[in-house]
Amino acid sequence: GEDVEQSLFLSVREGDSSVINCTYTDSSSTYLYWYKQEPGAGLQLLTYIFSNMDMKQDQRLTVLLNKKDKHLSLRIADTQTGDSAIYFCAGLTGTASKLTFGTGTRLQVTL
Amino acid sequence: ETGVTQTPRHLVMGMTNKKSLKCEQHLGHNAMYWYKQSAKKPLELMFVYSLEERVENNSVPSRFSPECPNSSHLFLHLHTLQPEDSALYLCASSQDHFKTIMTGNYGYTFGSGTRLTVV
Repeated sequence: GEDVEQSLFLSVREGDSSVINCTYTDSSSTYLYWYKQEPGAGLQLLTYIFSNMDMKQDQRLTVLLNKKDKHLSLRIADTQTGDSAIYFCAGLTGTASKLTFGTGTRLQVTL
Repeated sequence: ETGVTQTPRHLVMGMTNKKSLKCEQHLGHNAMYWYKQSAKKPLELMFVYSLEERVENNSVPSRFSPECPNSSHLFLHLHTLQPEDSALYLCASSQDHFKTIMTGNYGYTFGSGTRLTVV
């Protein structure tokens, strides 16, 4: 099955860019997602990328996909304190519509 | 409001108790899911329901019993739980479980979760 790995923690200063990285093992993943979880809340879909794309930009968010290395990243420009949360990478595998999640990266934004 | 509502938000239960978690979605989705979120571990998929039929059970102990009476409601019945079952239980829904590739899947919609503590 799919394994998705992320580093557990990232600290950035307000106004800087954040880059959250993710690696996955299943090359047949068709969609890759980034979810955000704020304290006490469920997961909120932030953005997604289809496997035939290399990059997707959505306002302050940029997703980069390197299929050869099975590496996905999420860049948040001009990081704000409201961006502090846990960010989950997830891959959609096969025809079973099964999302496999990583452990999540806790992003801490400092002043 | 995310469109997926879970109740209760918090639950404390003893190991001999029986309780149920409830999930309701108003998105017209056909598939619903239970996930378990424990600290520092990936989200664990527990059950998948598609059109009210259970299509996946990921080796979940029998002390967890799901029920899907219709496509809008999903329950997780709990009995004789262990302290290690303490976690955040998340419900999610998606438009169609099996036609993802053809229609384009934009992910799941999650509820806010039930924080379960077993004492």
